Amino acid sequence: ETGVTQTPRHLVMGMTNKKSLKCEQHLGHNAMYWYKQSAKKPLELMFVYNFKEQTENNSVPSRFSPECPNSSHLFLHLHTLQPEDSALYLCASSHEGQGAYEQYFGPGTRLTVT
Amino acid sequence: GENVEQHPSTLSVQEGDSAVIKCTYSDSASNYFPWYKQELGKGPQLIIDIRSNVGEKKDQRIAVTLNKTAKHFSLHITETQPEDSAVYFCAARPPETGNQFYFGTGTSLTVIP
Repeated sequence: ETGVTQTPRHLVMGMTNKKSLKCEQHLGHNAMYWYKQSAKKPLELMFVYNFKEQTENNSVPSRFSPECPNSSHLFLHLHTLQPEDSALYLCASSHEGQGAYEQYFGPGTRLTVT
Repeated sequence: GENVEQHPSTLSVQEGDSAVIKCTYSDSASNYFPWYKQELGKGPQLIIDIRSNVGEKKDQRIAVTLNKTAKHFSLHITETQPEDSAVYFCAARPPETGNQFYFGTGTSLTVIP
């Protein structure tokens, strides 16, 4: 148990659906991240939030929309996805500042787009 | 940008033997190198890390070495056990990108009882 929880753990959605992924961290961290993990590829950073402000968007298509209402919660809103968006979506958190770099991951949401 | 390469992609060892996984990186400014273990159905778990001002770090059966000149770092697991079977990822952090990590493609380790 890393202190980062994600729901749902599994999600199947059609290309016209709208769904949201949720992440919550119980570590008192102030930065949160969304990663995409596909088979045979390195983890891809999608979004970074520091102190609730988005500081990184790695050219992610607009069909993925993040939301960070506070430093403990992070959402990823999904709409009109493509089959190639099927992957494991991982949330992570860290404590920015004071030389702390460690990132702690949640268990992920396995997304299947049909 | 930073580029991290990881080898081998798969590794099988007999229980009790040692396992070594190697990573190279391209950005000489990278200053933090974590290793993650990912078991089936779980997220990556941080198992050990090393900073650029240190050459070696050990935690029980796990050790990491860093060669800044050659820009490579390695994970060493001694006295392997079946529960060490998992996918292992290395990563590098270039400070100019904030706290962004660049990951290797992973090594699937199987420990044969």
